[in-house]
Amino acid sequence: RKEVEQDPGPFNVPEGATVAFNCTYSNSASQSFFWYRQDCRKEPKLLMSVYSSGNEDGRFTAQLNRASQYISLLIRDSKLSDSATYLCVVNERGNQGGKLIFGQGTELSVKP
Amino acid sequence: NAGVTQTPKFRILKIGQSMTLQCTQDMNHNYMYWYRQDPGMGLKLIYYSVGAGITDKGEVPNGYNVSRSTTEDFPLRLELAAPSQTSVYFCASRHYANTGELFFGEGSRLTVL
Repeated sequence: RKEVEQDPGPFNVPEGATVAFNCTYSNSASQSFFWYRQDCRKEPKLLMSVYSSGNEDGRFTAQLNRASQYISLLIRDSKLSDSATYLCVVNERGNQGGKLIFGQGTELSVKP
Repeated sequence: NAGVTQTPKFRILKIGQSMTLQCTQDMNHNYMYWYRQDPGMGLKLIYYSVGAGITDKGEVPNGYNVSRSTTEDFPLRLELAAPSQTSVYFCASRHYANTGELFFGEGSRLTVL
């Protein structure tokens, strides 16, 4: 089983649509969670951290379910500029702490 | 601040050659990481470091070595390059273990022929 697994994608949606990405992780000792965005094979950039109580940043909502080892990202009212690959990232403890594992990414394409 | 600087940006190697990818950060970050990204895939962790003198293996360490003699530098050494090591390599750093944003270099594109 992969340590961090995401929906395979790609997701093709019209502008204004709501889209949800899912991510599961295998290490129950994982401590913190993030969503990153990557454009056209450039370096990934932090989109948002994921907190236990769930958190929202504008059109983006992230949720964490520790019991099911599951993370989600919801994008409302999709824009053309949201087209990118979304990467789920899990902070495992590792031998020294701070081991950051990426999922394989889910590609989103928003069409006019 | 320059942030995270990787060199070289592009390199072509022949099978069996060796090389070092350089990574330097000027943010005084304790944690540094090396990832590789193959086409259509996510980032795979090669090695990481939690401070000078301390390194640990990631998901795909075979064929690579690292060292961390200073806080600023975290070079990645490829010994006996193989075509399977053709990839884009990203170096990243962050200050805190459990929170904090990862700062990435621009990536190094390596081709092994």
